[in-house]
Amino acid sequence: NAGVTQTPKFRILKIGQSMTLQCAQDMNHNYMYWYRQDPGMGLKLIYYSVGAGITDKGEVPNGYNVSRSTTEDFPLRLELAAPSQTSVYFCASRDAGTKRGSWYNEQFFGPGTRLTVL
Amino acid sequence: QQQVKQSPQSLIVQKGGIPIINCAYENTAFDYFPWYQQFPGKGPALLIAIRPDVSEKKEGRFTISFNKSAKQFSLHIMDSQPGDSATYFCAATGAGGTSYGKLTFGQGTILTVHP
Repeated sequence: NAGVTQTPKFRILKIGQSMTLQCAQDMNHNYMYWYRQDPGMGLKLIYYSVGAGITDKGEVPNGYNVSRSTTEDFPLRLELAAPSQTSVYFCASRDAGTKRGSWYNEQFFGPGTRLTVL
Repeated sequence: QQQVKQSPQSLIVQKGGIPIINCAYENTAFDYFPWYQQFPGKGPALLIAIRPDVSEKKEGRFTISFNKSAKQFSLHIMDSQPGDSATYFCAATGAGGTSYGKLTFGQGTILTVHP
């Protein structure tokens, strides 16, 4: 299994440009998440999804949009890039149900996308 | 606002030392507390986790201590090694159905272990 994959690894955008960060997982997980990581701030939840066709806002959703047309893919869209969106973006996934013998399921993270907006 | 506060921001120890990272939370609905380890250029990975019905959990050289009344928990790394040099995040979530596993993270601690 490849786990959680993200593309691109790095990207530089100009202010006002748009782009889509791709995320895919091959573990058949229902739950998927997008986080951003800024120095000294930890990870903040942007959006999450509990299944195909179902998405909801996290703590810092402004300036972003998501869609979930399949179980595998969860792209994050930036419509009008701003310098405040310079960050490292992580996608994660986890199984929805409780596995046998386990009371909680681990979130698996992708390798991240480093985005700079100039 | 749901918050998890983590300290210190950075920590330097010698090989064999016992670094301790502390976290405090506010939301009493939290009932699952994982620690994630992140190496440079990589995504976070689950290291160890605890529920509030126990006061301590050990996995190898890593121990979580939990104080429910104080709403605090900490990570201890015994016999630390240079390979433990990484950023460590504490986190919290509720296990209930409506939490959907959403994690609230602390600010992170950059640990450096010198040989």
